[in-house]
Amino acid sequence: GAGVSQTPSNKVTEKGKYVELRCDPISGHTALYWYRQSLGQGPEFLIYFQGTGAADDSGLPNDRFFAVRPEGSVSTLKIQRTERGDSAVYLCASSLGGRALDEQYFGPGTRLTVT
Amino acid sequence: AQSVTQLDSQVPVFEEAPVELRCNYSSSVSVYLFWYVQYPNQGLQLLLKYLSGSTLVESINGFEAEFNKSQTSFHLRKPSVHISDTAEYFCAVNPAGGTSYGKLTFGQGTILTVHP
Repeated sequence: GAGVSQTPSNKVTEKGKYVELRCDPISGHTALYWYRQSLGQGPEFLIYFQGTGAADDSGLPNDRFFAVRPEGSVSTLKIQRTERGDSAVYLCASSLGGRALDEQYFGPGTRLTVT
Repeated sequence: AQSVTQLDSQVPVFEEAPVELRCNYSSSVSVYLFWYVQYPNQGLQLLLKYLSGSTLVESINGFEAEFNKSQTSFHLRKPSVHISDTAEYFCAVNPAGGTSYGKLTFGQGTILTVHP
């Protein structure tokens, strides 16, 4: 079946602009995660959704970052007033139940470049 | 809070040689341990995981990892590598327990390059 998909695959934007990154999880997966991977680093947790609600958003770096999952499926990560430091690969993952031992399936990522 | 340290950023080896990718973690609570692999131009994939029970876990493609609680390590090994094992490998941990969820903490990654 279809895996986790993310669009766009690449996004180049100017400093100060607003961007939206989309994630389509595996059908039926209730848990959805966003991570950010900077160059030469491992992924860092941003936010976790269980259904429609954000159960843990402790990894969002500041209030310019916001994410939604209005129908419990597709999620959108929104970044306002982008800064060059926001440049990274943004990864989305989903899992069946959200338990710690559940396997997370990752999408290919969106590479964001802020010029 | 948890932290993960992968001691080698790059590991070059020749085909059919053995390899060990090192991973140490720090946590004040029990954790589940994972190794993820990212092949060139592909997304992260789960390679193997330790949840409980036997401390030695294996993957379908010949990798194994051993959980060592006293040394807080979860090193990844393969006795004979192939060109196709060239990839970046990430060690990750997750707090264990009934109320925990999948908030993975990753190491910095180790790039394994297998030469012919």
